Amino acid sequence: GESVGLHLPTLSVQEGDNSIINCAYSNSASDYFIWYKQESGKGPQFIIDIRSNMDKRQGQRVTVLLNKTVKHLSLQIAATQPGDSAVYFCLMNYGGSQGNLIFGKGTKLSVKP
Amino acid sequence: GAGVSQSPSNKVTEKGKDVELRCDPISGHTALYWYRQSLGQGLEFLIYFQGNSAPDKSGLPSDRFSAERTGGSVSTLTIQRTQQEDSAVYLCASSSRASGYNEQFFGPGTRLTVL
Repeated sequence: GESVGLHLPTLSVQEGDNSIINCAYSNSASDYFIWYKQESGKGPQFIIDIRSNMDKRQGQRVTVLLNKTVKHLSLQIAATQPGDSAVYFCLMNYGGSQGNLIFGKGTKLSVKP
Repeated sequence: GAGVSQSPSNKVTEKGKDVELRCDPISGHTALYWYRQSLGQGLEFLIYFQGNSAPDKSGLPSDRFSAERTGGSVSTLTIQRTQQEDSAVYLCASSSRASGYNEQFFGPGTRLTVL
C-alpha cells in the first residue's frame, strides 16, 4: 500500500547546527516530492521540491536528497535558526492524478538558542 | 489579497449542528484542495476540484461531509451533524497549471471545535 512516514516525530537542535529531517515512502510510482514548513497557527508553506529523476536539489540553506533505492527523502537545513522552528511535512505525488497526494505525519523542529 | 483565504478562522459549534467552511483560492488557480489536520497529525486529504471536472471525493470520511465549488472559484466545505471527532483544523489549498499543479498554496485554515 501507499504510505509516507517520518523516522523522527520531533527534532531538537542547537541554533547554528545543521538539521536533517527524514521521510520514508513505500509507493515506488511516486514522481514528485515536496517539503512543506508549517509554523504554529499557519498553513503549510512550500520549501523545496524534487522530481524522481533527480537525487539532490539545493535551495537557500536547504537541500533535499532523494534515494529511490531505499525510498527515502530527507531535508537538510544548514545553520538552523530560531525561525526554522516549525513542523515539516513531506508530500508525495504519484500516479499523475491530483488526488494521489500523501502527506507525512510531520516532524516538529525545535531550535534552541 | 494574493493568497488563499479561509473563513471563519475559528468555529466553535455544538455536537449535531451543521457547519460551513469557506475557501477563496488564489485567482486563476483551477485546482482546489481540502485537507483536515487533527491535533498532532499530518494532513488528511479530503477532496479536490479541478476546473469543471467532477471532484475527487475519495478522501471524504463520511457522507456527513460535502463540498462545492461555485463558478470555479470559491469553495464551501459543509459538515452536517457534527461530531466531536470532527474537531480539527481544515485547510484549503489551490494550485495552477503554471506549477504543474504540484505546488499547493495553503490558506491559514479554519479551526473547528465541536463541543
